Amino acid sequence: QSALTQPPSASGSPGQSVTISCTGTSSDVGRYDYVSWYQHHPGKAPKLIIYEVTQRPSGVPDRFSGSKSGNTASLTVSGLQAEDEADYFCSSYAGINPVIFGGGTKLTVL
Amino acid sequence: QLLLQESGPGLVKPSETLSLTCTVSGGSITSGSYYWGWIRQPPGKDPEWMGSIFYSGSTYESPSLKSRVTISVDTSKNQFSLKLSSVTAADTALYYCARHIPTSSWFDPWGQGTLVTVSS
Repeated sequence: QSALTQPPSASGSPGQSVTISCTGTSSDVGRYDYVSWYQHHPGKAPKLIIYEVTQRPSGVPDRFSGSKSGNTASLTVSGLQAEDEADYFCSSYAGINPVIFGGGTKLTVL
Repeated sequence: QLLLQESGPGLVKPSETLSLTCTVSGGSITSGSYYWGWIRQPPGKDPEWMGSIFYSGSTYESPSLKSRVTISVDTSKNQFSLKLSSVTAADTALYYCARHIPTSSWFDPWGQGTLVTVSS
């Protein structure tokens, strides 16, 4: 069982928008605005695309956006492109165990 | 551009100690208020943060691994290292190093990862 729950897969056609959820508890996602998202193309280094729920690092396209409601954080990828096909995983600050991760969501661009 | 690269044996015997090194290039390991961390991902399982170190040597580790994890830093080589003792097959995983911003709990950048298999 994952510390943070993500759907195993998501998909969308080029140009569409897809939202991936990351569900925790009131002790982690719900309590702190310290959710981050990573894009991972297998065999490559994971890449930070969102931090502190909504912030985008320099160089990350604004097609990627983050939000949070209650114990669930979300990553939305707008205007899907072929290169967005990757695994996406979330993480959150969780107090005593400072970092917990989700199991990852495989995004397929149809 | 800051780059991190993991190195170390890809095969470790059960009960032995796993040792990995992360070499940082394109920037100094002593700059900024950053920690330097280790994350692993066993096959088919979630990523797991193992621990992080500041260049001064201050460390903090995952409570579940604390008794087996040792993280050290060598500022002269711009490297930090991980030792995991008494390994079992459950420690087989992709091991990543990454720069860690603990105040808001994110990692950037990451290394590509190195697969370590525990087997006799």
